[in-house]
Amino acid sequence: QVQLVESGGGVVQPGRSLRLSCAASGFTFSAYAMHWVRQAPGKGLEWVAFISYDGTETFSADSVKGRFTISRDNSQKTLYLQMSSLRAGDTAVYFCARSPTTLRYMDAWGKGTAVTVSS
Amino acid sequence: DIQMTQSPTTLSASVGDRVTITCRAGQWISSWLAWYQQKPGKAPKLLIYRASDLESGVPSRFSGSGSGTEFTLSISSLQPDDFATYYCQQYHSSPYTFGQGTKVEIK
Repeated sequence: QVQLVESGGGVVQPGRSLRLSCAASGFTFSAYAMHWVRQAPGKGLEWVAFISYDGTETFSADSVKGRFTISRDNSQKTLYLQMSSLRAGDTAVYFCARSPTTLRYMDAWGKGTAVTVSS
Repeated sequence: DIQMTQSPTTLSASVGDRVTITCRAGQWISSWLAWYQQKPGKAPKLLIYRASDLESGVPSRFSGSGSGTEFTLSISSLQPDDFATYYCQQYHSSPYTFGQGTKVEIK
């Protein structure tokens, strides 16, 4: 069955960096586009970043542009989110999610990994 | 950016009620709209895509309609498992924005 497992979350000081990973299984990872979506405590969903199935196309939210980088390794079936210059406002649960190749909705989600930015 | 506005923010209903949630897009998005259900502490779950297509395995009491800028999610007969928060999301163009969510509570 389709499985997405995020890892790499934790407590980090403001200004530091963190890399999240999302390990995929149960489907042909290289055929699907992927997203990162986050949810701050008690808040709604916020789309963070998108990457095409082959990694040639990426988009990100203005709130993270220039600080976060989405990437993927299809040989390892893994999605990444490199986060730098972290701020308190980046505190959230980060979900990875799968998109059908040419469409951008999210048909499968991981359980999320929590990131807390605090001194 | 395309702003997505849901109403109401909170909805109180009883088991068996028909409920409707509205989502308005700040600009035309054709039918590029999805609906998700999220329960506390869990990941969102896709219910509807392309405004009205039911995701495989989702009960038929859920339905979606609309196009352009106005969309609705309906639950024909609310079940105990349906008490949750619902989000719309546009995927017409980046950034792929979500609505603020509608919490469906027990009356």
